[in-house]
Amino acid sequence: DTGVSQNPRHKITKRGQNVTFRCDPISEHNRLYWYRQTLGQGPEFLTYFQNEAQLEKSRLLSDRFSAERPKGSFSTLEIQRTEQGDSAMYLCASSRAWAGRTEAFFGQGTRLTVV
Amino acid sequence: GQQLNQSPQSMFIQEGEDVSMNCTSSSIFNTWLWYKQDPGEGPVLLIALYKAGELTSNGRLTAQFGITRKDSFLNISASIPSDVGIYFCAGRRGNTPLVFGKGTRLSVIA
Repeated sequence: DTGVSQNPRHKITKRGQNVTFRCDPISEHNRLYWYRQTLGQGPEFLTYFQNEAQLEKSRLLSDRFSAERPKGSFSTLEIQRTEQGDSAMYLCASSRAWAGRTEAFFGQGTRLTVV
Repeated sequence: GQQLNQSPQSMFIQEGEDVSMNCTSSSIFNTWLWYKQDPGEGPVLLIALYKAGELTSNGRLTAQFGITRKDSFLNISASIPSDVGIYFCAGRRGNTPLVFGKGTRLSVIA
Protein backbone atom coordinates (compact mmCIF):
# COMPACT_ATOMS: atom_id res chain seq x y z
CA ASP A 1 0.00 0.00 0.00
CA THR A 2 1.86 3.05 -1.25
CA GLY A 3 -0.82 5.55 -0.27
CA VAL A 4 -2.34 8.32 -2.36
CA SER A 5 0.23 10.06 -4.54
CA GLN A 6 -0.12 13.60 -5.94
CA ASN A 7 2.06 15.40 -8.46
CA PRO A 8 3.44 17.94 -8.54
CA ARG A 9 3.80 18.89 -4.87
CA HIS A 10 4.17 22.56 -5.74
CA LYS A 11 3.23 24.62 -8.79
CA ILE A 12 3.81 28.31 -9.42
CA THR A 13 2.10 29.69 -12.48
CA LYS A 14 1.31 33.03 -14.04
CA ARG A 15 -2.24 34.25 -14.09
CA GLY A 16 -4.02 33.11 -17.22
CA GLN A 17 -1.99 29.93 -17.68
CA ASN A 18 -3.47 26.43 -17.56
CA VAL A 19 -2.31 23.89 -14.96
CA THR A 20 -2.92 20.17 -14.55
CA PHE A 21 -2.50 18.09 -11.41
CA ARG A 22 -2.38 14.33 -11.13
CA CYS A 23 -3.59 11.98 -8.40
CA ASP A 24 -2.84 8.27 -8.13
CA PRO A 25 -5.19 6.68 -5.58
CA ILE A 26 -4.61 3.61 -3.44
CA SER A 27 -4.84 0.78 -5.95
CA GLU A 28 -7.97 -1.04 -4.76
CA HIS A 29 -9.94 2.13 -4.02
CA ASN A 30 -12.87 2.80 -6.35
CA ARG A 31 -13.71 6.30 -5.11
CA LEU A 32 -11.56 9.36 -5.71
CA TYR A 33 -12.19 12.85 -4.36
CA TRP A 34 -10.74 16.29 -5.05
CA TYR A 35 -10.76 18.94 -2.34
CA ARG A 36 -9.39 22.47 -2.14
CA GLN A 37 -7.95 23.99 1.03
CA THR A 38 -7.10 27.63 1.66
CA LEU A 39 -5.18 29.01 4.63
CA GLY A 40 -7.02 28.65 7.93
CA GLN A 41 -9.82 26.58 6.44
CA GLY A 42 -10.71 22.93 6.29
CA PRO A 43 -10.74 21.07 2.97
CA GLU A 44 -13.69 21.98 0.72
CA PHE A 45 -15.18 19.39 -1.61
CA LEU A 46 -14.78 19.92 -5.36
CA THR A 47 -15.74 16.69 -7.10
CA TYR A 48 -15.66 12.92 -6.83
CA PHE A 49 -15.52 9.81 -8.99
CA GLN A 50 -16.71 6.30 -8.47
CA ASN A 51 -14.57 4.25 -10.83
CA GLU A 52 -14.50 6.36 -14.03
CA ALA A 53 -17.85 8.09 -13.47
CA GLN A 54 -17.85 11.63 -12.11
CA LEU A 55 -20.77 11.49 -9.70
CA GLU A 56 -20.87 14.90 -8.08
CA LYS A 57 -19.46 18.38 -8.63
CA SER A 58 -19.51 21.21 -6.12
CA ARG A 59 -20.70 24.69 -7.03
CA LEU A 60 -17.12 25.72 -6.18
CA LEU A 61 -16.04 23.98 -9.37
CA SER A 62 -16.30 26.74 -11.97
CA ASP A 63 -16.31 26.13 -15.73
CA ARG A 64 -12.55 26.67 -15.72
CA PHE A 65 -12.08 23.48 -13.70
CA SER A 66 -12.31 20.01 -15.19
CA ALA A 67 -11.50 16.64 -13.74
CA GLU A 68 -11.14 13.25 -15.38
CA ARG A 69 -10.54 9.72 -14.25
CA PRO A 70 -10.00 7.64 -17.37
CA LYS A 71 -10.22 3.88 -16.80
CA GLY A 72 -11.04 4.44 -13.15
CA SER A 73 -7.42 4.64 -12.07
CA PHE A 74 -5.50 7.92 -11.76
CA SER A 75 -7.26 11.27 -12.01
CA THR A 76 -6.30 14.69 -13.34
CA LEU A 77 -7.60 18.09 -12.31
CA GLU A 78 -7.12 20.89 -14.84
CA ILE A 79 -7.59 24.58 -14.18
CA GLN A 80 -7.79 26.78 -17.25
CA ARG A 81 -7.01 30.51 -17.31
CA THR A 82 -5.83 30.50 -13.70
CA GLU A 83 -6.73 33.41 -11.42
CA GLN A 84 -5.05 34.55 -8.21
CA GLY A 85 -8.04 33.27 -6.26
CA ASP A 86 -7.20 29.75 -7.43
CA SER A 87 -4.11 29.77 -5.19
CA ALA A 88 -4.69 26.98 -2.67
CA MET A 89 -3.70 23.46 -1.68
CA TYR A 90 -5.44 20.90 -3.90
CA LEU A 91 -5.97 17.62 -2.10
CA CYS A 92 -6.88 14.24 -3.51
CA ALA A 93 -8.35 11.42 -1.43
CA SER A 94 -9.45 7.88 -2.18
CA SER A 95 -11.66 5.36 -0.45
CA ARG A 96 -13.07 1.90 -0.89
CA ALA A 97 -16.72 1.69 0.06
CA TRP A 98 -17.51 -1.59 1.82
CA ALA A 99 -20.03 -2.56 4.45
CA GLY A 100 -20.93 1.09 4.90
CA ARG A 101 -17.38 2.03 5.91
CA THR A 102 -15.76 4.70 3.78
CA GLU A 103 -12.54 5.99 5.33
CA ALA A 104 -10.96 8.50 2.96
CA PHE A 105 -7.16 8.68 2.74
CA PHE A 106 -5.51 11.85 1.51
CA GLY A 107 -2.42 12.50 -0.55
CA GLN A 108 0.16 15.12 0.35
CA GLY A 109 -1.51 17.73 -1.82
CA THR A 110 -0.44 20.06 -4.61
CA ARG A 111 0.14 23.64 -3.54
CA LEU A 112 -0.75 26.05 -6.34
CA THR A 113 0.45 29.64 -6.32
CA VAL A 114 -0.85 31.94 -9.06
CA VAL A 115 1.23 35.10 -9.52
CA GLY B 1 -19.67 25.33 1.20
CA GLN B 2 -21.10 23.85 4.35
CA GLN B 3 -18.65 23.33 7.20
CA LEU B 4 -18.90 21.85 10.63
CA ASN B 5 -18.43 23.95 13.78
CA GLN B 6 -15.22 22.91 15.46
CA SER B 7 -13.99 24.20 18.82
CA PRO B 8 -11.80 25.46 20.18
CA GLN B 9 -10.10 27.16 17.22
CA SER B 10 -6.74 26.89 18.94
CA MET B 11 -5.23 25.51 22.12
CA PHE B 12 -1.95 26.03 23.94
CA ILE B 13 -1.23 23.29 26.45
CA GLN B 14 1.63 22.00 28.54
CA GLU B 15 3.26 18.71 27.61
CA GLY B 16 1.58 15.91 29.57
CA GLU B 17 -1.83 17.58 29.75
CA ASP B 18 -4.97 16.03 28.32
CA VAL B 19 -6.76 17.71 25.40
CA SER B 20 -10.41 17.80 24.41
CA MET B 21 -11.96 19.21 21.26
CA ASN B 22 -15.35 18.84 19.66
CA CYS B 23 -17.30 19.23 16.49
CA THR B 24 -20.99 20.01 16.00
CA SER B 25 -23.35 20.07 13.07
CA SER B 26 -26.91 21.22 12.49
CA SER B 27 -27.45 18.04 10.46
CA ILE B 28 -27.35 14.38 11.41
CA PHE B 29 -24.30 12.47 10.21
CA ASN B 30 -23.80 8.72 9.91
CA THR B 31 -20.01 8.89 9.79
CA TRP B 32 -17.53 10.99 11.73
CA LEU B 33 -13.81 11.01 10.96
CA TRP B 34 -10.95 12.78 12.72
CA TYR B 35 -7.79 13.86 10.87
CA LYS B 36 -4.50 15.51 11.82
CA GLN B 37 -2.68 17.79 9.39
CA ASP B 38 0.93 18.96 9.62
CA PRO B 39 2.08 22.10 7.74
CA GLY B 40 2.39 21.53 4.01
CA GLU B 41 1.03 18.00 4.20
CA GLY B 42 -2.29 16.31 3.56
CA PRO B 43 -4.62 15.29 6.40
CA VAL B 44 -3.85 11.94 8.03
CA LEU B 45 -6.76 9.81 9.25
CA LEU B 46 -6.75 9.20 13.01
CA ILE B 47 -10.10 7.64 13.91
CA ALA B 48 -13.30 6.67 12.10
CA LEU B 49 -16.72 6.40 13.82
CA TYR B 50 -19.83 4.80 12.32
CA LYS B 51 -22.41 4.34 15.07
CA ALA B 52 -24.11 6.76 17.46
CA GLY B 53 -22.54 6.41 20.90
CA GLU B 54 -19.48 4.61 19.52
CA LEU B 55 -16.27 5.21 21.47
CA THR B 56 -13.03 4.33 19.66
CA SER B 57 -9.40 4.63 20.72
CA ASN B 58 -6.16 4.84 18.77
CA GLY B 59 -3.27 4.90 21.23
CA ARG B 60 -3.59 8.07 23.30
CA LEU B 61 -6.46 9.30 21.16
CA THR B 62 -10.11 8.59 21.94
CA ALA B 63 -13.06 9.78 19.88
CA GLN B 64 -16.79 9.48 20.38
CA PHE B 65 -19.75 9.63 18.02
CA GLY B 66 -22.38 11.72 19.86
CA ILE B 67 -25.70 10.03 20.57
CA THR B 68 -27.59 12.85 18.85
CA ARG B 69 -25.51 12.07 15.71
CA LYS B 70 -24.85 15.81 15.44
CA ASP B 71 -21.57 15.94 17.29
CA SER B 72 -18.29 14.19 17.94
CA PHE B 73 -15.46 14.58 20.43
CA LEU B 74 -11.73 13.88 20.30
CA ASN B 75 -9.58 13.53 23.40
CA ILE B 76 -5.80 13.25 23.51
CA SER B 77 -4.28 12.03 26.75
CA ALA B 78 -0.83 12.92 28.07
CA SER B 79 0.07 15.20 25.15
CA ILE B 80 3.58 15.15 23.69
CA PRO B 81 5.34 17.65 21.39
CA SER B 82 4.60 15.64 18.24
CA ASP B 83 0.86 16.10 18.85
CA VAL B 84 1.29 19.65 17.52
CA GLY B 85 -0.76 20.24 14.39
CA ILE B 86 -4.25 21.00 13.16
CA TYR B 87 -7.01 18.53 13.96
CA PHE B 88 -10.00 18.34 11.64
CA CYS B 89 -13.32 16.66 12.12
CA ALA B 90 -15.21 15.49 9.05
CA GLY B 91 -18.74 14.15 8.72
CA ARG B 92 -20.79 12.41 6.12
CA ARG B 93 -24.56 11.99 5.57
CA GLY B 94 -25.50 8.91 3.61
CA ASN B 95 -23.31 8.62 0.54
CA THR B 96 -22.37 12.30 0.31
CA PRO B 97 -18.75 13.49 0.29
CA LEU B 98 -17.08 14.41 3.57
CA VAL B 99 -17.72 17.86 5.02
CA PHE B 100 -14.91 19.32 7.15
CA GLY B 101 -14.64 21.65 10.11
CA LYS B 102 -12.20 24.58 10.14
CA GLY B 103 -9.85 22.75 12.47
CA THR B 104 -8.41 23.05 15.96
CA ARG B 105 -4.79 24.19 16.05
CA LEU B 106 -2.92 22.48 18.88
CA SER B 107 0.32 23.85 20.29
CA VAL B 108 2.21 21.93 22.97
CA ILE B 109 4.61 23.72 25.29
CA ALA B 110 7.41 21.47 26.49
